[in-house]
Amino acid sequence: EAGVTQSPTHLIKTRGQQATLRCSPISGHTSVYWYQQALGLGLQFLLWYDEGEERNRGNFPPRFSGRQFPNYSSELNVNALELEDSALYLCASSLDGQGHPYEQYFGPGTRLTVT
Amino acid sequence: AQSVAQPEDQVNVAEGNPLTVKCTYSVSGNPYLFWYVQYPNRGLQFLLKYITGDNLVKGSYGFEAEFNKSQTSFHLKKPSALVSDSALYFCVGAPAGRRALTFGSGTRLQVQP
Repeated sequence: EAGVTQSPTHLIKTRGQQATLRCSPISGHTSVYWYQQALGLGLQFLLWYDEGEERNRGNFPPRFSGRQFPNYSSELNVNALELEDSALYLCASSLDGQGHPYEQYFGPGTRLTVT
Repeated sequence: AQSVAQPEDQVNVAEGNPLTVKCTYSVSGNPYLFWYVQYPNRGLQFLLKYITGDNLVKGSYGFEAEFNKSQTSFHLKKPSALVSDSALYFCVGAPAGRRALTFGSGTRLQVQP
């Protein structure tokens, strides 16, 4: 069974540009989560999508946004990039329903560098 | 606000010795608690979870964790450490019914041969 996949592996952008990160969940998983792992700040929850809807977002500005497609894959968009957006962005997915509460499986991440 | 604390940045243990990685939590209600491990150049891997029921939870690779409500702790343990257990370990919590995981700062486990 294929795990969570993310693309690209690395992304280099200039301050002020936009970045788009992509995630494909494990087959059968309907929920997708995004986390930011920044140096010195640890892992922080960004967004949760389920059935195409944004269900919850963490304490991040609106320039962090995303969407979930009908096939449950997801995009994370970061607009007006700032230097402090440089981080590893992790995507996770979960199989919902009875017996599988909140156990999230993570992808390898996209390393975003803003110069 | 929810928080998970891992008081040790690094834990060193000799191969074959028991290991403990400490975690305390401040999560409202009846928390869901997890341990994840991050190996170099690999993604976060799920180790085990506590949802409800037995306070001693067994997980992957021989790891176990004990939920202690009175001490608000969820320490990770293994009876006999392996060099291959060397990695970064995260204690993770979430209030029951919530999906946003709160991660601890991580503890680097170094197992010496």
